[in-house]
Amino acid sequence: GAVVSQHPSWVICKSGTSVKIECRSLDFQATTMFWYRQFPKQSLMLMATSNEGSKATYEQGVEKDKFLINHASLTLSTLTVTSAHPEDSSFYICSANNRDSGNTIYFGEGSWLTVV
Amino acid sequence: QKEVEQNSGPLSVPEGAIASLNCTYSDRGSQSFFWYRQYSGKSPELIMFIYSNGDKEDGRFTAQLNKASQYVSLLIRDSQPSDSATYLCACSDNYGQNFVFGPGTRLSVLP
Repeated sequence: GAVVSQHPSWVICKSGTSVKIECRSLDFQATTMFWYRQFPKQSLMLMATSNEGSKATYEQGVEKDKFLINHASLTLSTLTVTSAHPEDSSFYICSANNRDSGNTIYFGEGSWLTVV
Repeated sequence: QKEVEQNSGPLSVPEGAIASLNCTYSDRGSQSFFWYRQYSGKSPELIMFIYSNGDKEDGRFTAQLNKASQYVSLLIRDSQPSDSATYLCACSDNYGQNFVFGPGTRLSVLP
């Protein structure tokens, strides 16, 4: 199946700093990628839809100035959590739409963010 | 608003039994349907997808789709403790837009 790689898998950062998470589609081009956040024992929460070459579409309640998304190429989208706060500690997951495979969504491995 | 509903569970089945996971969706425009499995602390992984009414089998998994009833199900035969996970149902239109996930059903297979 299609492979989506996410990096880093784990990151610890200090409050007030920024951290960048990368999402790459390794064997297909993804014009659309998605960013989710998931707290323990809770459902996936869609944060934003990232479209190659255009601005991301954010879900209601998600601060676009805090969660910066860049989708500069057909294989890479990045999520930058700015001015991180302990409340931002969560599991962040990206996914990518593989149009060559019936628009199937494939997920990255996820990134655990801990803000101390 | 487009919705996908699943029973949150937990659904408990004994080892070797058939686990039946159900999902309903509200958008009649949905054309593609997916089942994902998510282990605790891990990201979801695709199990299978189905586009046409009827059954689709892949190993121990069978997806069933009934568009008239807006109903999708996943059967897991010969359930194993390693199948214990949360199962997510998802729907989208033909263009991969309007991709909506259900909240997931937690399955527990008891040894």
